[in-house]
Amino acid sequence: KQEVTQIPAALSVPEGENLVLNCSFTDSAIYNLQWFRQDPGKGLTSLLLIQSSQREQTSGRLNASLDKSSGRSTLYIAASQPGDSATYLCAVGFNKFYFGSGTKLNVKP
Amino acid sequence: DAGVIQSPRHEVTEMGQEVTLRCKPISGHDYLFWYRQTMMRGLELLIYFNNNVPIDDSGMPEDRFSAKMPNASFSTLKIQPSEPRDSAVYFCASSTPGLAGGGETQYFGPGTRLLVL
Repeated sequence: KQEVTQIPAALSVPEGENLVLNCSFTDSAIYNLQWFRQDPGKGLTSLLLIQSSQREQTSGRLNASLDKSSGRSTLYIAASQPGDSATYLCAVGFNKFYFGSGTKLNVKP
Repeated sequence: DAGVIQSPRHEVTEMGQEVTLRCKPISGHDYLFWYRQTMMRGLELLIYFNNNVPIDDSGMPEDRFSAKMPNASFSTLKIQPSEPRDSAVYFCASSTPGLAGGGETQYFGPGTRLLVL
């Protein structure tokens, strides 16, 4: 079974800082990796999807990379804002996705 | 599109009662997923369907749980009888198969918050 780990579990940074969230997985034979955002009491919103043939995806201030050989993905957030405060989850799989436990991000004004 | 629709949004019931959660996926999406989220176990996939057919139900915790998808626009997750440990947030998500068949972005509903007393 695929195990997905996210470090750190929580992160607090001042507004404007660039930051990196980490995701590691045990089975490198993954197909897709997704990063999601979850606001308190809400559902998940997909941020970026990296398919197995890709190495990274970018959307605005977000950049996600995928290194299958090392079993790692990173989500880079540039110039963080208080509105970025949320829990970020990564998920790996092929239709059936395994989720990490998330990193709770707090961006202080 | 209204996105994935789930009902009810909140459900409080007593142990032993039957609970039915409902989901309407995004029109045109071939895949439908049911997840459960708890503080202890995080987000877990319970079951998923492709073209209304259950593909993988290995995450369904017990025989008390059952899921159906009678048509492309409706699915139910039923718990009978319910127990306090079933208390969680249940999410429904849908997606298209994508170019490589490996799944495109999953779109999540707002979830049903279930409390079993």
